[in-house]
Amino acid sequence: GPKVLQIPSHQIIDMGQMVTLNCDPVSNHLYFYWYKQILGQQMEFLVNFYNGKVMEKSKLFKDQFSVERPDGSYFTLKIQPTALEDSAVYFCASSLTGGGDTQYFGPGTRLLVL
Amino acid sequence: QQQVRQSPQSLTVWEGETAILNCSYEDSTFNYFPWYQQFPGEGPALLISIRSVSDKKEDGRFTIFFNKREKKLSLHITDSQPGDSATYFCAASANDSGYNKLTFGKGTVLLVSP
Repeated sequence: GPKVLQIPSHQIIDMGQMVTLNCDPVSNHLYFYWYKQILGQQMEFLVNFYNGKVMEKSKLFKDQFSVERPDGSYFTLKIQPTALEDSAVYFCASSLTGGGDTQYFGPGTRLLVL
Repeated sequence: QQQVRQSPQSLTVWEGETAILNCSYEDSTFNYFPWYQQFPGEGPALLISIRSVSDKKEDGRFTIFFNKREKKLSLHITDSQPGDSATYFCAASANDSGYNKLTFGKGTVLLVSP
């Protein structure tokens, strides 16, 4: 099936540093998502993005978080500055249309903030 | 407050048996329920989904039974195979907004013993 790629697969950084997580969504998809999963917990919605804009974000999407997809390249999640509680697996997803359409997930980026 | 609950947390069945995974939800506006299958080191992949207008959805060995009144659904995997061993996530969304934010359960870890 359609593949979503995520780079890097693992990232270790010191608290306070900036990190950018990259997502290569399915080529013709228009809707993009980030989810966060802390070990042992459920995956939680962070944000969705369409037509160059954030359409909806959760309370987990702190002010230190930002997303963008410049010129149709990678869909990125930037955290600046990072905090210890940002340690988690971050999953990117994309879908062709919005409501009720299948979201295709990447393999995740495992972020560890020390 | 957990919006989507799954049980059991883990389940072991013998090859050939039927595995039954349960899910319940709180939000009565949820109307789309995908089940995702996840193998270690990979992202979740859509297995089967159902909309609230239906009470049953079948795809090969996988069947969703949906009870809107009780806000419950279950995934039945018949003739379970060792290759079905994975984590299964029940998710839900209220897609009337058009932007399809998924709310996930914590997952059920299924082990199929040969």
